[in-house]
Amino acid sequence: DTTVKQNPRYKLARVGKPVNLICSQTMNHDTMYWYQKKPNQAPKLLLFYYDKILNREADTFEKFQSSRPNNSFCSLYIGSAGLEYSAMYLCASSRDHGQLTEVFFGKGTRLTVV
Amino acid sequence: QQKVQQSPESLIVPEGGMASLNCTFSDRNSQYFWWYRQHSGEGPKALMSIFSNGDKKEGRFTAHLNKASLHVSLHIKDSQPSDSALYFCAVSYQGGRALIFGTGTTVSVSP
Repeated sequence: DTTVKQNPRYKLARVGKPVNLICSQTMNHDTMYWYQKKPNQAPKLLLFYYDKILNREADTFEKFQSSRPNNSFCSLYIGSAGLEYSAMYLCASSRDHGQLTEVFFGKGTRLTVV
Repeated sequence: QQKVQQSPESLIVPEGGMASLNCTFSDRNSQYFWWYRQHSGEGPKALMSIFSNGDKKEGRFTAHLNKASLHVSLHIKDSQPSDSALYFCAVSYQGGRALIFGTGTTVSVSP
């Protein structure tokens, strides 16, 4: 099974409220990623876990948190949602760092902040 | 910061025709190049990779890489309606943190 599962597929959140998105994979991949995708923009890497080590991008460091309680699960947490967080959030996984090997993506969670 | 740009933004191709997608990158240290395809309602899925200068053919798809020109392209021969999708170019290098994606090219194959 080469699927990455994301829940929920659609999420409505209020400004100022927290948001928690969930992702799982059963491929025993070392690395799990979160990307943010807005219309007409490239998927933007937010952070990734290599094994238990979290790597966050410098420009999104304070905006997103994540946890990986075991190899299969990874969450993305927004402490206080703003309108600018409305986007598609794509979770992905790969063996190793994903440069030489395929990165597998989930179908995404569409977050709308109102 | 690596910049990956794709052209054209969108492309309409007749069924059976050739689609040509372009991607330019800014970091000369780039080593690994991928094409991903995303159908509506699905996540992106890897189509093919190319790591050496020249052409790489997989079925109806041919990727071409020219590192000196900072350019990679994808050509789809005998386009089918099922090829209608959003195509992303993705770039990385040894020791890089993760793939950096372009903005994508939307391909529509008209019957």
